[in-house]
Amino acid sequence: GAVVSQHPSWVICKSGTSVKIECRSLDFQATTMFWYRQFPKQSLMLMATSNEGSKATYEQGVEKDKFLINHASLTLSTLTVTSAHPEDSSFYICSARAVLDSYEQYFGPGTRLTVT
Amino acid sequence: AQSVTQLDSHVSVSEGTPVLLRCNYSSSYSPSLFWYVQHPNKGLQLLLKYTSAATLVKGINGFEAEFKKSETSFHLTKPSAHMSDAAEYFCVVNLQAGTALIFGKGTTLSVSS
Repeated sequence: GAVVSQHPSWVICKSGTSVKIECRSLDFQATTMFWYRQFPKQSLMLMATSNEGSKATYEQGVEKDKFLINHASLTLSTLTVTSAHPEDSSFYICSARAVLDSYEQYFGPGTRLTVT
Repeated sequence: AQSVTQLDSHVSVSEGTPVLLRCNYSSSYSPSLFWYVQHPNKGLQLLLKYTSAATLVKGINGFEAEFKKSETSFHLTKPSAHMSDAAEYFCVVNLQAGTALIFGKGTTLSVSS
């Protein structure tokens, strides 16, 4: 099956610093990747949709200048949390849509971010 | 408007008894529907999916779900619960090919011995 990886799986950073999270499709090409955020004991909320070679589309209420998304290739998308604050602490999960499979998306294992 | 509703936030069963996790959706079209499971501090695992083929879908670990258009439901069932089934379950809908998935709020399944 299709595999999506995320790196790092777990990161702790100090308030005010920036953190970059990578999402890679390992064995397929993904024209579209999605970024979700999950707070403890809550569901996944879509943050943004990332299309290769174009600007990401952000959901209402998500600050695009704070959550920078880059989708430079068909196998890599990055999410950078800039000037992180404790309220940004969350579980960030990406998913990738394979080019030839319109409906199914493959999820990464998630990245747990803790801002101190 | 809520596109997917999980009717129970928490379900508790005894090991060996049946499991029923309820999900209703709202859509003007025929959506694709999924059930995912998430164990504590883990990523998501796809249990099964419905994409307009057979209405009774069999998934992994003995789970299955039936798409009922007349009831706009996609309930998840398992004949006999196992302790390892204890986890968070998400009913997910994809309203249009290529768009993001929409997650229900989740149902926590507890299994007691």
